[in-house]
Amino acid sequence: GENVEQHPSTLSVQEGDSAVIKCTYSDSASNYFPWYKQELGKGPQLIIDIRSNVGEKKDQRIAVTLNKTAKHFSLHITETQPEDSAVYFCAASIPGYGGSQGNLIFGKGTKLSVKP
Amino acid sequence: NAGVTQTPKFRVLKTGQSMTLLCAQDMNHEYMYWYRQDPGMGLRLIHYSVGEGTTAKGEVPDGYNVSRLKKQNFLLGLESAAPSQTSVYFCASSYPTGTSGNTIYFGEGSWLTVV
Repeated sequence: GENVEQHPSTLSVQEGDSAVIKCTYSDSASNYFPWYKQELGKGPQLIIDIRSNVGEKKDQRIAVTLNKTAKHFSLHITETQPEDSAVYFCAASIPGYGGSQGNLIFGKGTKLSVKP
Repeated sequence: NAGVTQTPKFRVLKTGQSMTLLCAQDMNHEYMYWYRQDPGMGLRLIHYSVGEGTTAKGEVPDGYNVSRLKKQNFLLGLESAAPSQTSVYFCASSYPTGTSGNTIYFGEGSWLTVV
């Protein structure tokens, strides 16, 4: 089955610096890759996603890149701010796993700390 | 519009007791899910439902049962709680987009401790 590896497990950056979190997946049929942000005591919230027919997507300070050949995708946060501190999860969806839409397989998470 | 609401938020159970976690969504979503989150393990799918009256097993279904009698509700039951079921439980919902991949909306979580 699908396996999603996420690195690093913890990441500490200075405010204003960039942060990069990387994920790899094993099933080449995966075609949807969302990123979730989880603040302390809250549920995960979608921040950006990318589909397999797109190589890069940006939304203000956040961007996601996808390399289908290498089967990895990355989250890039520029000009980090203290409020970016949270746990970030990547996920991959396989068509047909759990219905036609495909259920998500999550990475184990990255705890990002942004120091003021 | 409350989104996904879970009750209770916190619960302590004794080994062998039973309980039900309730999830309600007001977004008219077809799909609903129950995940558990454990330190260093990420989010793992317990059970899911693709519509009213349907349920299916996820990655870690053992020890849990679910029911989806109404479209807006998805119940997670523990028949005989075990300490290994101490976890944070998240309910989520999504709607079919017609293409692959759903945007999943999560509830705030239910913290369960089994002693």
